Parts: sequence; C-alpha cells; structure tokens
Amino acid sequence: ELKVEQNPLFLSMQEGKNYTIYCNYSTTSDRLYWYRQDPGKSLESLFVLLSNGAVKQEGRLMASLDTKARLSTLHITAAVHDLSATYFCAVDETYGGATNKLIFGTGTLLAVQP
Amino acid sequence: DAGVTQSPTHLIKTRGQQVTLRCSPKSGHDTVSWYQQALGQGPQFIFQYYEEEERQRGNFPDRFSGHQFPNYSSELNVNALLLGDSALYLCASSTDADSSYEQYFGPGTRLTVT
Repeated sequence: ELKVEQNPLFLSMQEGKNYTIYCNYSTTSDRLYWYRQDPGKSLESLFVLLSNGAVKQEGRLMASLDTKARLSTLHITAAVHDLSATYFCAVDETYGGATNKLIFGTGTLLAVQP
Repeated sequence: DAGVTQSPTHLIKTRGQQVTLRCSPKSGHDTVSWYQQALGQGPQFIFQYYEEEERQRGNFPDRFSGHQFPNYSSELNVNALLLGDSALYLCASSTDADSSYEQYFGPGTRLTVT
C-alpha cells in the first residue's frame, strides 16, 4: 500500500528566507503532483512531475522529482507572506495505469512571517 | 471555460440521514474522482467514475456510493450519516486524453453532521 510522508508538518519562516519541503513515498510511481490549499478553500494545482529528474519552476517555487529515491522536493526561494498556505504532495498509486488514484501526504502548513 | 463546480457549498445533516452531493466536471473532462478531507488532514480518495462506471475505489464503506451521468457529471451519496463523516468533500475531474492525468479540483462541499 502506497504511503506518502511530508516533512516538516509545520514550517514558520521569515520573509526573504529559503526552505525546502520534502515528500517521500513508499512504492514506485510515475506521477507526482503538488497542490496548494488556502484555509477553507479547495486545492490549487502547482506542479505536475512525470519523470525522474523532472524539475518545474513557477515564481518563487521549484519542484523536483527523484523516482529512484522516491523523493520530491518543493523549494521556496525568498519567501513572501502570500506563500502562506498548506502544501500537499500527492502520488498516483496506479503506476503505469490510466486511472489516477491520488494518495496525499499529510500536508505542510507554511507560515511566512514579516 | 467553467472549471469544476460542486453543489451545495455547505450542508448540515443529522446522524442517520442521507446526503447527496453533486459535481460537474471541467469542460472536456470525462473522469470524476471524489475525495474526503477531514479537518487538518490530507484528502482521502473515495472513488472514481469513468464511462458511468466506478473504476477505482478507496477504503470507504458501502455507505458511500456514487453515480456518473451521460454528461459526465457525478453524484456522491452517503447513507446513515455518522459524526465522523463531517468533512470537506472534494470532486476532481480529469481526462485520459491528458497524459499527465492532472486532476482539477472543485471548490468542495462542507458537510457537517450533528
């Protein structure tokens, strides 16, 4: 059974600092997704990572995937308050298949302090 | 282009009652997945519908059932409600024609069981 772990669970950081959120998963998968969730809101898609070594960047966020290590990272550069939210990684349990049953991590609550 | 829509936004029910939640997928999408997100946790996969059939199911009891209509919209039914069913219910749509199988989430239905 696929398990997805994120760390840290809570991250308080100062504006302008850099940090990384880690997502580990337990079984082989070829599709990993990062989502952002603001309080009381739905999930907003950030990145789709489909192959080993994939790297995607959008603004101050950069995500990467190492399928051999079963590890994805979400790197935050020069954080700003607007990035405060909960970040989830989700891994497709259906390796190589058409159905995409997503298993979500526990989430990382990011609080950026001025 | 309308995204994923869900109704109702909020719902309050009493233990033992039954509830029906509705979802319309993003235009061009034919697959609908349902997730349950309890407070402070990551979403958990309930089931997925494709071509009006349940294609995948998570670890949820038979009290949770669904349906997909010919226009690809979907319903989630929960019978004999328990207090523990209180959660945000998220619908996500996707299409196998997109090789990333990215899922787009609706705004959710907040269900409170008293």
